[in-house]
Amino acid sequence: QKEVEQNSGPLSVPEGAIASLNCTYSDRGSQSFFWYRQYSGKSPELIMSIYSNGDKEDGRFTAQLNKASQYVSLLIRDSQPSDSATYLCAVKGNTPLVFGKGTRLSVIA
Amino acid sequence: GAVVSQHPSRVICKSGTSVKIECRSLDFQATTMFWYRQFPKQSLMLMATSNEGSKATYEQGVEKDKFLINHASLTLSTLTVTSAHPEDSSFYICSAVQGAGANVLTFGAGSRLTVL
Repeated sequence: QKEVEQNSGPLSVPEGAIASLNCTYSDRGSQSFFWYRQYSGKSPELIMSIYSNGDKEDGRFTAQLNKASQYVSLLIRDSQPSDSATYLCAVKGNTPLVFGKGTRLSVIA
Repeated sequence: GAVVSQHPSRVICKSGTSVKIECRSLDFQATTMFWYRQFPKQSLMLMATSNEGSKATYEQGVEKDKFLINHASLTLSTLTVTSAHPEDSSFYICSAVQGAGANVLTFGAGSRLTVL
């Protein structure tokens, strides 16, 4: 069974700090990796996608992928209270997208 | 960008009744739509993959006779929860991919179902 694991948190960081969110996956055949943000009571919204090893930066967000270690992470620089949400890691191989349970991030002002 | 409209956003019904949730792709054609369910503090669980013009593919453990999915056009998929019970109360979210072979999902706003 394909699994995506995340620490449920909550992860608390002070405003302005770097938040680091981690995710591991079991399917070595996975090819596409996504980070979604979900506010309470809302549906997920895509933040980042990454397909090859290394780093991918978009504004304050950096996704990191290491396929050998089956590990993907999301860094949020200069964290803001508005970043407080649950962050879902999602992984896709030849099957539909599989989501992790999400990490709840709390940015303290 | 791609927009997926889902309604109703909230629905409360009595046990034993049926509820229909609609999912529409507003500015693109979606040959494939996905239906997810999310219980409180849990992840999104894929219920079924809806393919235009054909039968939906259900995930293991999802009752196809209880959760009826119809994808009659390239822009509309519906999920009907039949004979709803309190344990069916959940957040139901549809999503679609834009373009064949695309990976990125666009989600609808979700539908909060409460069965009394």
